[in-house]
Amino acid sequence: QKEVEQNSGPLSVPEGAIASLNCTYSDRGSQSFFWYRQYSGKSPELIMFIYSNGDKEDGRFTAQLNKASQYVSLLIRDSQPSDSATYLCAGYTGTASKLTFGTGTRLQVTL
Amino acid sequence: EAGVAQSPRYKIIEKRQSVAFWCNPISGHATLYWYQQILGQGPKLLIQFQNNGVVDDSQLPKDRFSAERLKGVDSTLKIQPAKLEDSAVYLCASSLSGGFQETQYFGPGTRLLVL
Repeated sequence: QKEVEQNSGPLSVPEGAIASLNCTYSDRGSQSFFWYRQYSGKSPELIMFIYSNGDKEDGRFTAQLNKASQYVSLLIRDSQPSDSATYLCAGYTGTASKLTFGTGTRLQVTL
Repeated sequence: EAGVAQSPRYKIIEKRQSVAFWCNPISGHATLYWYQQILGQGPKLLIQFQNNGVVDDSQLPKDRFSAERLKGVDSTLKIQPAKLEDSAVYLCASSLSGGFQETQYFGPGTRLLVL
């Protein structure tokens, strides 16, 4: 079982809709989670991080963490074509101090 | 604030040749990471430095890969000899002190193609 798992997609949503990206993790001791956006041919850039149960909002983005169910999600409201990218979920898993990435979910926002 | 710098941006070599990548982290960042990202996958940590000491190199193929950060600032990653499966993007990242709540900032990456 992979430590951090994501559906590779593509996830296709129409412009203006809500995009919901999900991530599950295997280690119950995982500490904190990060969502990175990666455009094709570019390096990852941070969207949000979350380490407490519940929701965290930043503009059009909301990160959700549920430690009991071991999942993390990212909601993108009012999706724009410029949001089309691969979204990487990453977590500091277990006692390791290293960040483990999922394979990423490719999001396509259609006009 | 200048970001993480990497060079070269692209490199094409033949298998069994050697190659080296350079990274300069954000000023003041004590922790430096080298990741390998194969097409269609997420970045995989190869090695993590805290200042000039190695924190984690458990996923570094030590028979062919080496890395150093001699003065605790910039770093080099070397592959010798390269294999076809080393074709990937090599990403360097840095963070302030390596804490689990800290953001890692990525450089532009070096795209390696091994023929």
